Amino acid sequence: EVQLVESGGGLVQPGGSLRLSCAASGFTFSSYDMHWVRQATGKGLEWVSAIGTAGDTYYPGSVKGRFTISRENAKNSLYLQMNSLRAGDTAVYYCARDTGSGSMAFDYWGQGTLVTVSS
Amino acid sequence: QSVLTQPPSVSAAPGQKVTISCSGSSSNIGNNYVSWYQQLPGTAPKLLIYDNNKRPSGIPDRFSGSKSGTSATLGITGLQTGDEADYYCGTWDSSLSAGGVVFGGGTKLTVL
Repeated sequence: EVQLVESGGGLVQPGGSLRLSCAASGFTFSSYDMHWVRQATGKGLEWVSAIGTAGDTYYPGSVKGRFTISRENAKNSLYLQMNSLRAGDTAVYYCARDTGSGSMAFDYWGQGTLVTVSS
Repeated sequence: QSVLTQPPSVSAAPGQKVTISCSGSSSNIGNNYVSWYQQLPGTAPKLLIYDNNKRPSGIPDRFSGSKSGTSATLGITGLQTGDEADYYCGTWDSSLSAGGVVFGGGTKLTVL
């Protein structure tokens, strides 16, 4: 059974940093592109980052230069290093697995971890 | 303001059919595959449709997807109260301003 379990969320002050982790199991982690998607309370989904099987990374403009996605295949783990955090980064952060069909669709999602940026 | 446009809400009676639209442009829907997600209250999103019209294993054929030009549609037949949820469309956007995966703002489905 595919499982994705996020951790590392919490309360952080504006300008601070946080590192999220996602533990994957039930599939060959190294063979899949992986993503982070966030959702502010009562709002829609926002794609945050992606990492390919070769370690290539992708970001939207809203987080580029502040967030870094990485993976450690030996540990079946995905990470998101978030720096220079702002109030607008407050959201539930989900890790998600790419279907592998090439269409940037996400077939498995974790339960999410809440990040709150506030003084 | 989301890159993809969805109606904020739709409603229908149990057993009926409903469609949810997702409108975009040539930089996103027009030249890329569309996916659809269902998010029940308090849970993570769930993939319903990918590559415009494919269903993952375990998704009933009551759910269908289609695409025409720069718009996509999710169809749900035989509505059940358990289908009450938020639905999101998503795709890749190749424009410089978006440059990544984009989603619609979501549509809340009410089964009356």
